[in-house]
Amino acid sequence: EDQVTQSPEALRLQEGESSSLNCSYTVSGLRGLFWYRQDPGKGPEFLFTLYSAGEEKEKERLKATLTKKESFLHITAPKPEDSATYLCAVQASPRSNDYKLSFGAGTTVTVRA
Amino acid sequence: DTGVSQDPRHKITKRGQNVTFRCDPISEHNRLYWYRQTLGQGPEFLTYFQNEAQLEKSRLLSDRFSAERPKGSFSTLEIQRTEQGDSAMYLCASSPGLAYTDTQYFGPGTRLTVL
Repeated sequence: EDQVTQSPEALRLQEGESSSLNCSYTVSGLRGLFWYRQDPGKGPEFLFTLYSAGEEKEKERLKATLTKKESFLHITAPKPEDSATYLCAVQASPRSNDYKLSFGAGTTVTVRA
Repeated sequence: DTGVSQDPRHKITKRGQNVTFRCDPISEHNRLYWYRQTLGQGPEFLTYFQNEAQLEKSRLLSDRFSAERPKGSFSTLEIQRTEQGDSAMYLCASSPGLAYTDTQYFGPGTRLTVL
């Protein structure tokens, strides 16, 4: 069974204090690893898809990287508006019609001004 | 592109009642997914459709749950004889239906509270 573990559970940062979130995964075969942002009471908002080890993607202050066993989401010089829960999910490939996402529990980031 | 929409946004019901939720996907998206999310957890997969065909159901989806997607457009998720353990956020997502992997876009969710 696919497993996704995110750490830490919660992260409190000062504005401008860079940090990284970890997502470790165990899957039979990886189709893609996804990062989403979720604000309280709202649905997840898509950030990135990573497909193979060594791949990196950036968007504003966020950068996602992927290895064979884990992914990191780096937040550079965060601002209060970056406060949210960040979810990691994997899409495995044991069967050709298996497109479901398996999510971790998320990391809740709070950025103080 | 108006995004995925869900209705209602909030539903309060009494134990034993039936409830139905609706999801309208992004237009021309072939795949539609239902997930359930409880407080402090990530979303858990329930079921998904490729056009009108329901291709996979999770073991989490008991006999009290049923989903449909008539004509491959909107979808409904019905829960019969609700239980307090059904209280959760029900999320719908849609994706373009690409051959290998494609991105799922989520709606705002329906918050269900069972009293």
